[in-house]
Amino acid sequence: AQSVTQLDSQVPVFEEAPVELRCNYSSSVSVYLFWYVQYPNQGLQLLLKYLSGSTLVKGINGFEAEFNKSQTSFHLRKPSVHISDTAEYFCAVRVYTGRRALTFGSGTRLQVQP
Amino acid sequence: GAVVSQHPSRVICKSGTSVKIECRSLDFQATTMFWYRQFPKQSLMLMATSNEGSKATYEQGVEKDKFLINHASLTLSTLTVTSAHPEDSSFYICSARDPGLAGGGGTDTQYFGPGTRLTVL
Repeated sequence: AQSVTQLDSQVPVFEEAPVELRCNYSSSVSVYLFWYVQYPNQGLQLLLKYLSGSTLVKGINGFEAEFNKSQTSFHLRKPSVHISDTAEYFCAVRVYTGRRALTFGSGTRLQVQP
Repeated sequence: GAVVSQHPSRVICKSGTSVKIECRSLDFQATTMFWYRQFPKQSLMLMATSNEGSKATYEQGVEKDKFLINHASLTLSTLTVTSAHPEDSSFYICSARDPGLAGGGGTDTQYFGPGTRLTVL
C-alpha cells in the first residue's frame, strides 16, 4: 500500500515570497508522483507530474517540484507567489501498473497574504 | 488539456431520495473513471473505480448498494446515491483516466471533474 504525508496543513506566505510545500511518500513499489491544486468549491487541476527522467519537473503557473528517491520526497516550490495562488494543494502517488487510482495526501492550504 | 464535466454542480435533496451524478469525459475516451468523496477541509478518499462495460470496484467500507455506479459508455459514468441521508452530504469528485498514446503504458493521466456538492436535508 502507498501513503502520502503532507506535514504542513497550512502555509501562510507573503506575496512575491518563495514557497515550498512538502510531500513525502511511502511505497513498497515504484510510483508516479503528482501535485494537484484545488480552488474553493472546484475540482482538482493537475499542476505537474513525475513519471521518469529528470527529477526536476516544471509545471503550470510557475510551479516546479523535485523528486528525491532517497528521501522519498516530492516537494513543490515556487520562487514568487501571487495572491491568486491561494488554494489547497494535494500531493498524490500512483503505482506503475495495476491499481491506477491515486492516493492523496491530506492537503496543504497555501494562504498568500498581500 | 482534457476536460471532464460533472452534472449537477450542486444538489440539495430530502432525506430518503436518490440522487444521480454524471461524469463525462468531453474530448477523450475513458475506459476507467474514479469516484472520490471529499469532506470539508479533508483530502479526497477513493470510493470506487468505474470500468466501462463491467462492474465497479468499490473500496473497503463503501456500500455498493448505496452508491450505485454505472459506466455505460467510454465517456460517461454515473454515481447514484440511493436513499440519501444527511451523513451522505459531501463533495463528490470524479476523475477520468486518459490512457494517452499507444493505449496506455505509464503516461496516462487522470483529469478531474469540477465536483458535485450534495446536501441532504
